Amino acid sequence: GAVVSQHPSRVICKSGTSVKIECRSLDFQATTMFWYRQFPKQSLMLMATSNEGSKATYEQGVEKDKFLINHASLTLSTLTVTSAHPEDSSFYICSARDWGTRSSYEQYFGPGTRLTVT
Amino acid sequence: RKEVEQDPGPFNVPEGATVAFNCTYSNSASQSFFWYRQDCRKEPKLLMSVYSSGNEDGRFTAQLNRASQYISLLIRDSKLSDSATYLCVVADSWGKLQFGAGTQVVVTP
Repeated sequence: GAVVSQHPSRVICKSGTSVKIECRSLDFQATTMFWYRQFPKQSLMLMATSNEGSKATYEQGVEKDKFLINHASLTLSTLTVTSAHPEDSSFYICSARDWGTRSSYEQYFGPGTRLTVT
Repeated sequence: RKEVEQDPGPFNVPEGATVAFNCTYSNSASQSFFWYRQDCRKEPKLLMSVYSSGNEDGRFTAQLNRASQYISLLIRDSKLSDSATYLCVVADSWGKLQFGAGTQVVVTP
């Protein structure tokens, strides 16, 4: 149980274009999903917290107009990187919290999306 | 100062040996603690939660020292498949996770 999928797993796009990444909880309902970014040899950095049916909460330094998050259902959240630039190239990982588990702090991670902007 | 600090390693460990490493965290109000494992270019996977009394899961033992604000992980009888980066993760009272940059472990034959 507690499987999270992400699509696509890898994407290459040209500078200036937009990319949408989907995160789905497959066998549980996730009222809260999280979006992280990880640069090589660095830790995962939380970008935003996404709550179903409400606006996402962005971490300091993350541009909400550049990283659009939509959490329209209990099983799907999307991250759109708008007007992507090469410095946005990174490993984007989503996670979801399953409130039904023993630990409400436990998060299940998607397999990640490797974005390369050329 | 980073909220969660780890020795990046690598820790080169002969197969069958024991390896241990720590992480320190700065937020004394932290509520929950975890060790995650991350393989190269993959997502993190939960290895174990860390409880105040310490806990063991097979060959893995985790300890928490709230007074000194550090968490440790010990791996006994290391296997080649234990080679990975181990992420120390701390949750605050809101459930927000802070990740360390990871400790790389390389188990050699």
